[in-house]
Amino acid sequence: AQKITQTQPGMFVQEKEAVTLDCTYDTSDQSYGLFWYKQPSSGEMIFLIYQGSYDEQNATEGRYSLNFQKARKSANLVISASQLGDSAMYFCAMRRGSGAGSYQLTFGKGTKLSVIP
Amino acid sequence: SQTIHQWPATLVQPVGSPLSLECTVEGTSNPNLYWYRQAAGRGLQLLFYSVGIGQISSEVPQNLSASRPQDRQFILSSKKLLLSDSGFYLCAWSVVPGELFFGEGSRLTVL
Repeated sequence: AQKITQTQPGMFVQEKEAVTLDCTYDTSDQSYGLFWYKQPSSGEMIFLIYQGSYDEQNATEGRYSLNFQKARKSANLVISASQLGDSAMYFCAMRRGSGAGSYQLTFGKGTKLSVIP
Repeated sequence: SQTIHQWPATLVQPVGSPLSLECTVEGTSNPNLYWYRQAAGRGLQLLFYSVGIGQISSEVPQNLSASRPQDRQFILSSKKLLLSDSGFYLCAWSVVPGELFFGEGSRLTVL
């Protein structure tokens, strides 16, 4: 079975500083995908970034980057130059590589990030 | 561009009453559709997903059901709500499995 662990229930970061949100995963699959989503207080889930298990380079999307360490089974999200609008819940999720199971995302319990002015 | 809408945004229902949450997607054809539930302070739990009209896969046994009467319409229903059904329900669509785009969410409170 797949499992996602986010060990930080809450994090604080000073505005304009960088912050790393931790995510570790457990899977026996060779092919899988890792995702990060942001959930502001409004409730909607916003897709941020994706990393495939065979991608050799870390994914980047603007101020977001994913620090993928396959051997350690970690997929930490790095947010650079934090902004007040980054305050939200952040969820790490994993998808199985192929087949019927690839439609399912397994989510972690989330990390609440608060950006301090 | 693609958009997804779900309604109602908030709902307060008594125990034992029926439920119907609706979700529609615009700007794409034959999307994969999903219903997730988020209990307070928890991550998301996949309830149902659909890869086509009339095709529904259930991930968790419960008193909820889902239907997909049209390509871009996904409905979550219950005949009799339980207190434990309270939560935040999110509809999502994808073309690439796993890369989900979510609706605004529906907050259900069962009293």
